[in-house]
Amino acid sequence: DAGVTQSPTHLIKTRGQQVTLRCSPKSGHDTVSWYQQALGQGPQFIFQYYEEEERQRGNFPDRFSGHQFPNYSSELNVNALLLGDSALYLCASSLVSDYGYTFGSGTRLTVV
Amino acid sequence: KNEVEQSPQNLTAQEGEFITINCSYSVGISALHWLQQHPGGGIVSLFMLSSGKKKHGRLIATINIQEKHSSLHITASHPRDSAVYICAVSGGTASKLTFGTGTRLQVTL
Repeated sequence: DAGVTQSPTHLIKTRGQQVTLRCSPKSGHDTVSWYQQALGQGPQFIFQYYEEEERQRGNFPDRFSGHQFPNYSSELNVNALLLGDSALYLCASSLVSDYGYTFGSGTRLTVV
Repeated sequence: KNEVEQSPQNLTAQEGEFITINCSYSVGISALHWLQQHPGGGIVSLFMLSSGKKKHGRLIATINIQEKHSSLHITASHPRDSAVYICAVSGGTASKLTFGTGTRLQVTL
């Protein structure tokens, strides 16, 4: 049974560019959450998707947007990249009716 | 002040030692999670607690809801336990997680 799969694992982008990160949730899960983890910090909540809609959102600018597809997979898009967007981006899947989470291995984004 | 505080931030122990990591939170919660993160970045869920105590192998997690405090204990520590241990809280089912900054544990031979 596959867990959460994230792609790509590493990415280098230039300031001002746009990036798309992808996440496939654990089989049977219907909710996907995205987190940003800066070096040496705990993850910060970006947003959560359920039934193809944004269900909750953290304190991130509109440059951060997302999408959930009918198969529950999700994308995180970041526009107009800043150096400060360099971080590990983690995807976590869950059931909307449950407390447990399964995390992916993350995508490490470096903005130069 | 962060909503979730962990201590210590860094911990070095010798193999076989008993280890305790503490987590205090200041918000109402429905569940508290203990997570493990290795240098590669991936996070593994160790425990999810809403009350009492849970044990899995050499790991024990406890929570005191009244005091808003939880502890993670590792008995007979081993070098493979070296990782960052993170406490996180949630306010409901599939609710966002609020994380502590983690405790970096290194266990030496």
